[in-house]
Amino acid sequence: AQSVAQPEDQVNVAEGNPLTVKCTYSVSGNPYLFWYVQYPNRGLQFLLKYITGDNLVKGSYGFEAEFNKSQTSFHLKKPSALVSDSALYFCAVRDMNNNAGNMLTFGGGTRLMVKP
Amino acid sequence: KAGVTQTPRYLIKTRGQQVTLSCSPISGHRSVSWYQQTPGQGLQFLFEYFSETQRNKGNFPGRFSGRQFSNSRSEMNVSTLELGDSALYLCASSPTTGSYNEQFFGPGTRLTVL
Repeated sequence: AQSVAQPEDQVNVAEGNPLTVKCTYSVSGNPYLFWYVQYPNRGLQFLLKYITGDNLVKGSYGFEAEFNKSQTSFHLKKPSALVSDSALYFCAVRDMNNNAGNMLTFGGGTRLMVKP
Repeated sequence: KAGVTQTPRYLIKTRGQQVTLSCSPISGHRSVSWYQQTPGQGLQFLFEYFSETQRNKGNFPGRFSGRQFSNSRSEMNVSTLELGDSALYLCASSPTTGSYNEQFFGPGTRLTVL
């Protein structure tokens, strides 16, 4: 079985400061990892993914994420937060070695609050 | 390209009724997945359809069902609605299944069961 943990329900950061949203995962095989963002009354928007290769993945809106296999983590980062980054962030995993099609397992979500 | 569309956006039903939600994927996408989002359980996978066949199913009762048409549009049906079925139902599409492609989500249908 696969699982994702986002240990922080909420992260508060001041505008202009760096931000980190944490994610750890568990899969039996090799992971495909994704970050999505959800704004109020909207669906999920794709930010970035890790498939293979470089451990540092760059995505939309200046976000990046670092894959760490030994720590089974995939933390989302941004060097300088904007107030408009305030939203709900979800980490998701898919085991590339199982036969579960496109099924994603999501973490519980982390609410990011960026204060001016 | 137009994004994933879901209809209706909002729905209010009473216990015991049934409901059908619709999802139109991005043009050319053949995989459609459905997820349920609730404050208590978070985002949970319902099922995936690919080329009109159910590819995988999450841990939901048989009251939850779906289908996919030859144009890749998908519907999900919930019969004998319960209060706990109140949720945001999200549909996601992808070009194919079992690959590294990300999924693109629609805005969701918010179902309220009274």
